[in-house]
Amino acid sequence: GESVGLHLPTLSVQEGDNSIINCAYSNSASDYFIWYKQESGKGPQFIIDIRSNMDKRQGQRVTVLLNKTVKHLSLQIAATQPGDSAVYFCAEKEAGGGYNKLIFGAGTRLAVHP
Amino acid sequence: DAGVIQSPRHEVTEMGQEVTLRCKPISGHNSLFWYRQTMMRGLELLIYFNNNVPIDDSGMPEDRFSAKMPNASFSTLKIQPSEPRDSAVYFCASAPEAAGAEAFFGQGTRLTVV
Repeated sequence: GESVGLHLPTLSVQEGDNSIINCAYSNSASDYFIWYKQESGKGPQFIIDIRSNMDKRQGQRVTVLLNKTVKHLSLQIAATQPGDSAVYFCAEKEAGGGYNKLIFGAGTRLAVHP
Repeated sequence: DAGVIQSPRHEVTEMGQEVTLRCKPISGHNSLFWYRQTMMRGLELLIYFNNNVPIDDSGMPEDRFSAKMPNASFSTLKIQPSEPRDSAVYFCASAPEAAGAEAFFGQGTRLTVV
């Protein structure tokens, strides 16, 4: 039930450490950016989003940073836990005409070691 | 709410056969998306609907693929005839129409064409 396998970049961290997952996006017209988590055998699950008029947004144990100048997005996970092990995708959303769609990045695999 | 429901969860079929994947979006959601996920290409948007109308099908790989949404509570993705390279996990997702709304994914259908 794996999602995406051999070709993903992998970030390995120790349990309790902070994790930073990076993403570059391409469309200057995107107005929302979203991070999704995908566990093995499951569909992507929403973590946090950020509007293009913001630089930073915090959730529970997660922070998303947006740098529009260099079209860069990052997800910071504090005190990483084994349950955080998954593939993480950034997605950008174009908006126009009232219709929305998500374009996903390639994904990063996070491996948390005890 | 049961979330987005996809069926079947797994499908194994012979090359040349017709395959139909089904999706029931979350009640009240106006947008529906079909994605394909493979190791090589990651998550690809195939088509999305808004208020049952196909808005963008530019991601549909070729004429063998077709999608319908006859009503707000049901959508199908059909492949006819199927080929081994169609083997992938197909996800359906739905979202409210409101800007910034997250998309909710189903568990996916793992398709294997032999």
